[in-house]
Amino acid sequence: DGGITQSPKYLFRKEGQNVTLSCEQNLNHDAMYWYRQDPGQGLRLIYYSQIVNDFQKGDIAEGYSVSREKKESFPLTVTSAQKNPTAFYLCASTKTRTGELFFGEGSRLTVL
Amino acid sequence: DAKTTQPPSMDCAEGRAANLPCNHSTISGNEYVYWYRQIHSQGPQYIIHGLKNNETNEMASLIITEDRKSSTLILPHATLRDTAVYYCIVLNAGNNRKLIWGLGTSLAVNP
Repeated sequence: DGGITQSPKYLFRKEGQNVTLSCEQNLNHDAMYWYRQDPGQGLRLIYYSQIVNDFQKGDIAEGYSVSREKKESFPLTVTSAQKNPTAFYLCASTKTRTGELFFGEGSRLTVL
Repeated sequence: DAKTTQPPSMDCAEGRAANLPCNHSTISGNEYVYWYRQIHSQGPQYIIHGLKNNETNEMASLIITEDRKSSTLILPHATLRDTAVYYCIVLNAGNNRKLIWGLGTSLAVNP
């Protein structure tokens, strides 16, 4: 079945370490997104990509980086510059800019 | 971009209809109303969307008032698996990036 796969589901990291979260989709969607969700808050957009080899900063991009070398893949790196990285990270995709979002199951990152 | 207002929590008896309200009084003519839900620790799931007319699919019905300033999501026969946080979002036609996610309504379906 088509869908979005995020990995790992749970990740622990020491302070000062970079970590990369994987997001793969086989829906043939053009646009992909990364969101962050904190307890008691709505989703906040980190980065988005409308097409391969192009991506744009969202509302909270500082301390994060992404790449979009293939249509199917949109990995997110949480760098050591991110001051408060412990959160639930969600990847999503849409066929077009106005279509409904399809989400992965999320990756929960905890910094020790 | 228009913001939405939803009650923080609601309860519903299993088998009954769940009616979730949403106010979006500043919505503009080219903005759609979208509904998503999120079961605990999972990714949000798309439910339904509409512009002006009422909409129905296999999951729910969406009733939008004539002035478009509010809407109601209806789950006709709620089950325990419908317990989730429900988000009402206004989308500017042309840009998913502009989605503003609030805190939604936490719906508890009780046996």
